[in-house]
Amino acid sequence: AQSVTQLDSHVSVSEGTPVLLRCNYSSSYSPSLFWYVQHPNKGLQLLLKYTSAATLVKGINGFEAEFKKSETSFHLTKPSAHMSDAAEYFCVVSNTGNQFYFGTGTSLTVIP
Amino acid sequence: KAGVTQTPRYLIKTRGQQVTLSCSPISGHRSVSWYQQTPGQGLQFLFEYFSETQRNKGNFPGRFSGRQFSNSRSEMNVSTLELGDSALYLCASSSPSTGGGVYEQYFGPGTRLTVT
Repeated sequence: AQSVTQLDSHVSVSEGTPVLLRCNYSSSYSPSLFWYVQHPNKGLQLLLKYTSAATLVKGINGFEAEFKKSETSFHLTKPSAHMSDAAEYFCVVSNTGNQFYFGTGTSLTVIP
Repeated sequence: KAGVTQTPRYLIKTRGQQVTLSCSPISGHRSVSWYQQTPGQGLQFLFEYFSETQRNKGNFPGRFSGRQFSNSRSEMNVSTLELGDSALYLCASSSPSTGGGVYEQYFGPGTRLTVT
């Protein structure tokens, strides 16, 4: 069975400071993992994906995530938060059947 | 390439009615998935269609159904609407899959359904 746990429902950072959004996964298989972002009243946009290549994955808008099998984690980071990063972030695990399992989301607030 | 489009964007229906939502995937994408997003339950998988066949199904009642046409466009139907069906319904398409492997999904803007 596949599932993800997003450890924080809400994260608040100051503009220009680092962002850390935490995600742990559970998977019976070698997982494919994704991070998506959803801005208010918008659809979901893919930030990055891990599919068993490099463990450090770089995505759009300066985000990156590191796959750590020993910790079953796939945390999302960004060195310096921007106001436009304020949004809802979803960690997703998928199996070979192409079915996506979403976490409950982390709401990121960026304080000016 | 044009993105995933969903129509209508907003819909208001009354309990007991039925509704049909439409999704046009990115050109060349053969897999279309549907999700329900609510504040209480988050994002829940409804079903996935690939080459006009339902390949995966989530844990939703039979009132929720879908289909896919030969041009990969998909429709989702909800019959006998309940208040709890009020949600954002998201459609996503994936690049061609031969039945295995995982491909990132590209999401449309969603259809906001309100049931009164």
